[in-house]
Amino acid sequence: DVKVTQSSRYLVKRTGEKVFLECVQDMDHENMFWYRQDPGLGLRLIYFSYDVKMKEKGDIPEGYSVSREKKERFSLILESASTNQTSMYLCASTLGGGLSNQPQHFGDGTRLSIL
Amino acid sequence: AQSVSQHNHHVILSEAASLELGCNYSYGGTVNLFWYVQYPGQHLQLLLKYFSGDPLVKGIKGFEAEFIKSKFSFNLRKPSVQWSDTAEYFCAAGFSGGYNKLIFGAGTRLAVHP
Repeated sequence: DVKVTQSSRYLVKRTGEKVFLECVQDMDHENMFWYRQDPGLGLRLIYFSYDVKMKEKGDIPEGYSVSREKKERFSLILESASTNQTSMYLCASTLGGGLSNQPQHFGDGTRLSIL
Repeated sequence: AQSVSQHNHHVILSEAASLELGCNYSYGGTVNLFWYVQYPGQHLQLLLKYFSGDPLVKGIKGFEAEFIKSKFSFNLRKPSVQWSDTAEYFCAAGFSGGYNKLIFGAGTRLAVHP
């Protein structure tokens, strides 16, 4: 069974800090994704990666960057955290191929609070 | 732009009631459709998916969904809900072609009372 592990379940940071959210998958998946989940807005794609060192912007990339140095690990970086980035962050992965035709496997999420 | 709409944000039912959650997408081309569920404190998991073929799709835990192309809809149904179905349900659509991504609806919170 696919396991997507996010490093923290809960995280509290201060405005202006640089924040790293880590995600690891254990199934040799090609594609990895970062979403934020907000009430009434569903899941919105921040960034995705289809290969090591490859990344593409999603729908809401502003204020975020990502890093994929190894196939199994995909990091989300908040360069200078702001209160409007308080949210639930979800990491997901898919096997390979198209981005729209495969079920995504999700981690448990990181609930990030920016004070 | 492509979008996915879920009509009900909150649904409250009693056990044994029937469930139907609406989902509509806006795109006339090839679309792949999914329903995901998020139980309290758990990760999102796939309930069912439709790519092609029989428009009535059966998923896990007694759920099914029907793809109606003419209505751009993919509604989720269950004949008799249980307290354990209390969760948030997300419809998602994968649009192929130039916009090769998965778009999620806003979600529907279902509360089932014993």
